[in-house]
Amino acid sequence: DSGVTQTPKHLITATGQRVTLRCSPRSGDLSVYWYQQSLDQGLQFLIHYYNGEERAKGNILERFSAQQFPDLHSELNLSSLELGDSALYFCASSALPDRNQPQHFGDGTRLSIL
Amino acid sequence: EDQVTQSPEALRLQEGESSSLNCSYTVSGLRGLFWYRQDPGKGPEFLFTLYSAGEEKEKERLKATLTKKESFLHITAPKPEDSATYLCAVRSNNAGGTSYGKLTFGQGTILTVHP
Repeated sequence: DSGVTQTPKHLITATGQRVTLRCSPRSGDLSVYWYQQSLDQGLQFLIHYYNGEERAKGNILERFSAQQFPDLHSELNLSSLELGDSALYFCASSALPDRNQPQHFGDGTRLSIL
Repeated sequence: EDQVTQSPEALRLQEGESSSLNCSYTVSGLRGLFWYRQDPGKGPEFLFTLYSAGEEKEKERLKATLTKKESFLHITAPKPEDSATYLCAVRSNNAGGTSYGKLTFGQGTILTVHP
């Protein structure tokens, strides 16, 4: 158990809809990262938050947004969903990114768009 | 842009048959190379971090090594429970830039160990 909690585990919805994925980091970790994993693209970095502030962005679509709250949990919002958004979405956390500590991953949310 | 290539894509071994997985990388300045293990339906599980060429780390039957261009994950006398996808990732020296904190992953090696 990595200590990173993601909910829900599975999400099935339709095209055009909006969903919210939730992540609780390990106790004491200030950084939260979001990744997307698909069969053809592998694990792709989306966005990084540190102590409530956005620190880095990857190739995250404009339809996607995230935030980190004062209690350090994070939410990834996906809107105007398309079939191609079907994937596993992982959250990871670490203590201090500038000390190059490893990122610890949750077990992901599997998103299926019908 | 950082690039990571893992080989082979898949590897089948008999129990006790030692082998190595390869991770080749291209980065602007390596801050760390990470090995993860991923089981079906689970998130990646952290195994090792390597920081500089010549460094080695060991854990049970696994040993990770690092050169300036690649890393190897050596598996000695594997058991069926070592079956998983092994992922390699790099973090480059771009703190303060838009990729700060980002890990770039390879596509992984699917390891199957038969009893």
